[in-house]
Amino acid sequence: QSALTQPASVSGSLGQSITISCTGTSSDIGSYNFVSWYQHHPGKAPKLIIYDVSNRPSGVSNRFSGSKSGNTASLTISGLQAEDEADYYCSSFTTRSTVVFGGGTKVTVL
Amino acid sequence: QVQLQESGPGLVKPSETLSLTCTVSRGSISSYYWTWIRQPPGKGLEWIGYVYYSGSTDYNPSLKSRVTISLDTSMNQFSLKLTSVTAADTAVYYCARSSHLGEFSSGFDSWGQGTLVTVSS
Repeated sequence: QSALTQPASVSGSLGQSITISCTGTSSDIGSYNFVSWYQHHPGKAPKLIIYDVSNRPSGVSNRFSGSKSGNTASLTISGLQAEDEADYYCSSFTTRSTVVFGGGTKVTVL
Repeated sequence: QVQLQESGPGLVKPSETLSLTCTVSRGSISSYYWTWIRQPPGKGLEWIGYVYYSGSTDYNPSLKSRVTISLDTSMNQFSLKLTSVTAADTAVYYCARSSHLGEFSSGFDSWGQGTLVTVSS
């Protein structure tokens, strides 16, 4: 199974909105609404911020939102804050009943 | 809030077997999927496989021939064994729990802090 495709880096200014794309295939993102997003600060455990394309776990800021169209999922961070600077990973359930991750996107807050 | 903690050797020799254990505390190991995920230095996350509380397992096809994940419900632990390791298996290894009871598809909401395993002679 090939990794999902994410941009290596995305940057934005404080208060702005940014969107991270995650492109897969008809065998993963295109087949199910089972896309998750994780925020990862280096040296810490990854944190689930979106599951099932657009659902936020309890306690996750509503500045994080997710969507999907065809084989591509997206994560939008609105009102960018300094603490949002981190690596972000998407993942998807697949038709082989496995999980595949994206390569990760480094978000820089300018 | 459930807590997960990885433990095991930080250094493994090439061709040997990597063995890690994840201890689950402040929660039961029942009814969830328990998974291993790794991150090689400078690279992204890679799903290794899972074990369900019933004992059923599934693995990443690229690792399937070398991986075994097992469960010890009496100890509230699950384990990873990866055989015939090479330098390419050097990574931070995380254990994690599925976010929903009885479902594997909706992400992982509880993670260990991760443990670095280096494969080197």
